[in-house]
Amino acid sequence: EDQVTQSPEALRLQEGESSSLNCSYTVSGLRGLFWYRQDPGKGPEFLFTLYSAGEEKEKERLKATLTKKESFLHITAPKPEDSATYLCAVQARGGSNYQLIWGAGTKLIIKP
Amino acid sequence: NAGVTQTPKFQVLKTGQSMTLQCAQDMNHEYMSWYRQDPGMGLRLIHYSVGAGITDQGEVPNGYNVSRSTTEDFPLRLLSAAPSQTSVYFCASSWGDNYGYTFGSGTRLTVV
Repeated sequence: EDQVTQSPEALRLQEGESSSLNCSYTVSGLRGLFWYRQDPGKGPEFLFTLYSAGEEKEKERLKATLTKKESFLHITAPKPEDSATYLCAVQARGGSNYQLIWGAGTKLIIKP
Repeated sequence: NAGVTQTPKFQVLKTGQSMTLQCAQDMNHEYMSWYRQDPGMGLRLIHYSVGAGITDQGEVPNGYNVSRSTTEDFPLRLLSAAPSQTSVYFCASSWGDNYGYTFGSGTRLTVV
């Protein structure tokens, strides 16, 4: 069964303390892996798409990487405004092209 | 640039009532979808559309109907509300199945 698991469920960091969020996946074939950020009371906001193992993408203090089994979202020197829930989603080959498998998210809290 | 607009933002229904959640996008996206988000779970796809006049079921379609008469609008109808449909509903649109989605701000629905 296709599955996406995010860890940890919640992460509290001090401002400036770098860390990583994990998204592990089990799918028959990966077509794409997506990262989103979601602020309380709002819809998810698209961050990155990764398509193949070894690929990396960066945006400000965020860097996403991809292996054959998992993706990491690295946060370097985070600021309080980086506090949000980060969602990972996977698109599998073979199934419907429009159905994403979503993780439950990691809630990130950055304390000043 | 409005993006994806959802109305209403909040709604309380009694069991058995029907209603329509509205979704409109102004980006000329062909792909639109409806998700529900429940605590501790990943987003779950209800219905999606790949263009005007074309819709299909997602993971949890029971109790919901959709139609797509124009590129811009993709309403979601609850036929006979049940407490199990209490959730936050998000509409999303995209250029294609392998592109990031733009989400609306959500509708928080409570069925009593």
